[in-house]
Amino acid sequence: QQQVKQSPQSLIVQKGGISIINCAYENTAFDYFPWYQQFPGKGPALLIAIRPDVSEKKEGRFTISFNKSAKQFSLHIMDSQPGDSATYFCAASAGGFKTIFGAGTRLFVKA
Amino acid sequence: NAGVTQTPKFQVLKTGQSMTLQCAQDMNHEYMSWYRQDPGMGLRLIHYSVGAGITDQGEVPNGYNVSRSTTEDFPLRLLSAAPSQTSVYFCASSLTWGPHTYEQYFGPGTRLTVT
Repeated sequence: QQQVKQSPQSLIVQKGGISIINCAYENTAFDYFPWYQQFPGKGPALLIAIRPDVSEKKEGRFTISFNKSAKQFSLHIMDSQPGDSATYFCAASAGGFKTIFGAGTRLFVKA
Repeated sequence: NAGVTQTPKFQVLKTGQSMTLQCAQDMNHEYMSWYRQDPGMGLRLIHYSVGAGITDQGEVPNGYNVSRSTTEDFPLRLLSAAPSQTSVYFCASSLTWGPHTYEQYFGPGTRLTVT
């Protein structure tokens, strides 16, 4: 069964802290793992993505860590800011098609 | 570029009515898809298309039809609306080649209520 499990459902972090969101997948055919950020009333927007040939990808304050053997990947937000408060979705797909999304994590960064 | 546009933004239907949600993109993306977003369930794929004339089912296709006659447009049709189809609908598009392959761009969404 194709499924992506995301945790936690919600997260509260102090300004300047590290936010960590975890995802696990089942289908070993998945070869593309993006993270999307969504603000209320808006569509999701691609934040960062990784392919299984690397174990880590960093873009600014956002880092994806990928563990192929454990079938897990995570998003780390360093120096979290109030403007990062949003819902974050992990996702996975095989060949870019039929993307499966996690249930989402609502992040609140306290000023 | 306008990116991905969706109309209408809001819609209220009565049970049994039909309607079409419009989606258009001006980025010459081959891949287009429709998702529904429900609280606590993330986004679920309804239908997708890899090019004009080619469509396929996603996770939750029942009650929905799609067609792709042009690269730009990918309408979603609700045949006979049911309260279970109350949701926020998102259209997305992406390239299928090059360095930005698979990067999906989402529209602003259509909030649909079926009474």
